[in-house]
Amino acid sequence: GAGVSQSPSNKVTEKGKDVELRCDPISGHTALYWYRQSLGQGLEFLIYFQGNSAPDKSGLPSDRFSAERTGGSVSTLTIQRTQQEDSAVYLCASSLAGPAKNIQYFGAGTRLSVL
Amino acid sequence: AQSVTQLGSHVSVSEGALVLLRCNYSSSVPPYLFWYVQYPNQGLQLLLKYTSAATLVKGINGFEAEFKKSETSFHLTKPSAHMSDAAEYFCAVRGGNAGNNRKLIWGLGTSLAVNP
Repeated sequence: GAGVSQSPSNKVTEKGKDVELRCDPISGHTALYWYRQSLGQGLEFLIYFQGNSAPDKSGLPSDRFSAERTGGSVSTLTIQRTQQEDSAVYLCASSLAGPAKNIQYFGAGTRLSVL
Repeated sequence: AQSVTQLGSHVSVSEGALVLLRCNYSSSVPPYLFWYVQYPNQGLQLLLKYTSAATLVKGINGFEAEFKKSETSFHLTKPSAHMSDAAEYFCAVRGGNAGNNRKLIWGLGTSLAVNP
């Protein structure tokens, strides 16, 4: 597609349920990032995939959060046993590889509301 | 280690007035610096970037930013604000070395309001 696509755009769930958020990056982009943006906050880095390298998971806030990227393309962010503090907008971005690149292209995000 | 500080979480200007959004960074290597904009209910998009070429960088929508090494600053400016400029603006930095570490370090953002 022309841009980064995220689905669903909105997700309402009950506390304790698991949710899966999907990100479809720009074709040919080898790097993929997940961020969380809480109300009134900046961007919180969650996880970063680069090609076939082991992902950088240093930003995941707890072991309830996990992400995978299959076939070097689509990525899924999974939040298990959701809590109300997980409510936020989850943003995905992708970028080309190369040392002078790193322009990140963002999707519109998934707004997660945990009731 | 790199870090970014955006001074002022909220800035309000009148339509037609100068826009100045401040960003200071720290970096142990020559930095690459970015400004992104997030319009309401949309994802972030790149406004402009500095990657060690010209210190005055021009971006989209009439915005520009000047890299000042002596001040470790990369402030964003626009001579005349337009109502459509109302958005959240984020400054980000990454290290200048090549390699696998391409995480951007983000500021907390500045919300720009433009008053008629």
